[in-house]
Formats: sequence, C-alpha cells, structure tokens
Amino acid sequence: AQSVAQPEDQVNVAEGNPLTVKCTYSVSGNPYLFWYVQYPNRGLQFLLKYITGDNLVKGSYGFEAEFNKSQTSFHLKKPSALVSDSALYFCAVRDDSGYSTLTFGKGTMLLVSP
Amino acid sequence: EAGVAQSPRYKIIEKRQSVAFWCNPISGHATLYWYQQILGQGPKLLIQFQNNGVVDDSQLPKDRFSAERLKGVDSTLKIQPAKLEDSAVYLCASSRRSGTSTIDEQFFGPGTRLTVL
Repeated sequence: AQSVAQPEDQVNVAEGNPLTVKCTYSVSGNPYLFWYVQYPNRGLQFLLKYITGDNLVKGSYGFEAEFNKSQTSFHLKKPSALVSDSALYFCAVRDDSGYSTLTFGKGTMLLVSP
Repeated sequence: EAGVAQSPRYKIIEKRQSVAFWCNPISGHATLYWYQQILGQGPKLLIQFQNNGVVDDSQLPKDRFSAERLKGVDSTLKIQPAKLEDSAVYLCASSRRSGTSTIDEQFFGPGTRLTVL
C-alpha cells in the first residue's frame, strides 16, 4: 500500500524568508509525486509534479520541489515566501502501475506573516 | 478553459436522508474522480471513472454510496441513507488522458460541503 507523510501540521515563516514544507512517501515501484495547494472554500490547485528526470522540479508561483529517492522525500520549497502563499498544502503519491490512484497526505498549513 | 463545475456548493441534511452531488468535468477529460475530504484530512478517493467505466471503487461504501457517469461526461454521486460521519467536502476532479498510464495532473472542482445533522 502506498502512503504519504506530512510531519508538520503547520509551518510558520516570515515574508521574504525561504520556506520548506516536508513530505515523505512510501510506494511500490517508481513514484509519481505531486503537490497541490488549497485555498479556503476552494478546490485543490496543482502546483507541480515529479514523474522522472531531474530531481529538482519547478512549478507554479515560484514553488519547486526536490525529489530524493534515498530518503523517499519530496519537499516543497520556495526561496522567498509571500503572505499570499498562506494556504493548505497537500503532497500526493501514486505508483507507476496501470490505473494507480493518488494517495494524499493530511496536509500542512503554511502561514506567512508580514 | 472552464474548470470543473460542482453543485450544490453546500448541503445540510438530517441523518438517514438522501443527497446527490453533480459534477461536470473539464471538456475532453476522460478520467473523473470523486474524493471525500473530512476536516483535517487529505482527500480520499471514493471512485475513479475512465470515460463511463469504473476503474477503481475499492474505497466507496457501496451499501450507501453510488456514482454514475452517463455518456462519459457528467457524473452524479449519491448517498442514501446519510450518516453523521458522511459530513465532509466532496471533491470532483478530472484529468485529460485515458489509457493505462494516466499521470496527468488532476483538476479539482470547488467541492460540495455536506453537513449531516
């Protein structure tokens, strides 16, 4: 069975500082990894994905994520946080077999203070 | 392009009543998903359609939940009868490609917030 762990319920960072939201995963076979963001009363929005290739993936709104196979991690990063980045972030994983479905983590609330 | 549409946005019912949610995916998207998101948790897949066929419904409580996707476009999720623990946000999502390796990102609708009293 595949699973995702987001060890932090909340991450606090000051505007302009770098941010990291952590994610580790467990999956049989090769992982496909995703980050989504959820704003209040809205559905999830896709940020970025890792399928294969370069371990550093760049996505929307200046976010990037680093795939580390040995540590089974896929941490989300941004060099300089904005107040508008405050939202709920979800990491998700699926394997590379057939119609494998996405498994989401429980989410991490990011709060960026002015 | 227009996003995934869902209705209603909010629904309050009493336990043992029935409720239905509607989803219209992005035009041309072959795959449609229904998720349940309980407060404080990540979305949990209930059912996945490929065109109008069911690909995965292993986590759908089939004694009370049902879903259909007529003509491979719109979809309806029904709960009958509802229980208190069904209170959640029900999210619909769609993705573009069909086939055995659907790794396109999913596009989510705004969700329907269900409260069961």
